[in-house]
Amino acid sequence: EDQVTQSPEALRLQEGESSSLNCSYTVSGLRGLFWYRQDPGKGPEFLFTLYSAGEEKEKERLKATLTKKESFLHITAPKPEDSATYLCAVQAADNYGQNFVFGPGTRLSVLP
Amino acid sequence: ETGVTQSPTHLIKTRGQQVTLRCSSQSGHNTVSWYQQALGQGPQFIFQYYREEENGRGNFPPRFSGLQFPNYSSELNVNALELDDSALYLCASSPKTGNYGYTFGSGTRLTVV
Repeated sequence: EDQVTQSPEALRLQEGESSSLNCSYTVSGLRGLFWYRQDPGKGPEFLFTLYSAGEEKEKERLKATLTKKESFLHITAPKPEDSATYLCAVQAADNYGQNFVFGPGTRLSVLP
Repeated sequence: ETGVTQSPTHLIKTRGQQVTLRCSSQSGHNTVSWYQQALGQGPQFIFQYYREEENGRGNFPPRFSGLQFPNYSSELNVNALELDDSALYLCASSPKTGNYGYTFGSGTRLTVV
């Protein structure tokens, strides 16, 4: 069974204090790993897709990396507006186009 | 470019009742997926529709059913509501099936009392 875990469950940072969020996954064959941002009461907002180990993608203060067992979302010099829940999801190669398996998310709070 | 819109935004129903949630997919998107997100959890896949046909289903009972219309909008129907059905229901659309960054709506918050 495909599984995704995320750590930590919650993270509190001071503005400018860089850190990383972890996503560990078990999947029969990875078609893609996705990162989403979710604000309270809103739907997830797409950030990145990673397809193979060693791949990296960046967007503003966020950088996502992928290994064969986990992905990291690095946040450099965060600002209060980066506060949100960050969700990781995988799509299995044998489940083409059908669904994502999401992790429980990491709730990030960035204090001014 | 319009995004994914869902209606209603909030809904309160009584246990045993039936509910219909609606989703208008993003322009040009022919694939719609529905997810259930309980408080503090990640979204869980309910089912997906591609060109009006169900294209995959998660571990949800048959009382969860859906439709996709020729304009690619979609409905989620839940019969015999249970207290545990209280959740945020999310609709997501994409231009086709596959590993694309789906666009999510803001969801419908369903409370069953």
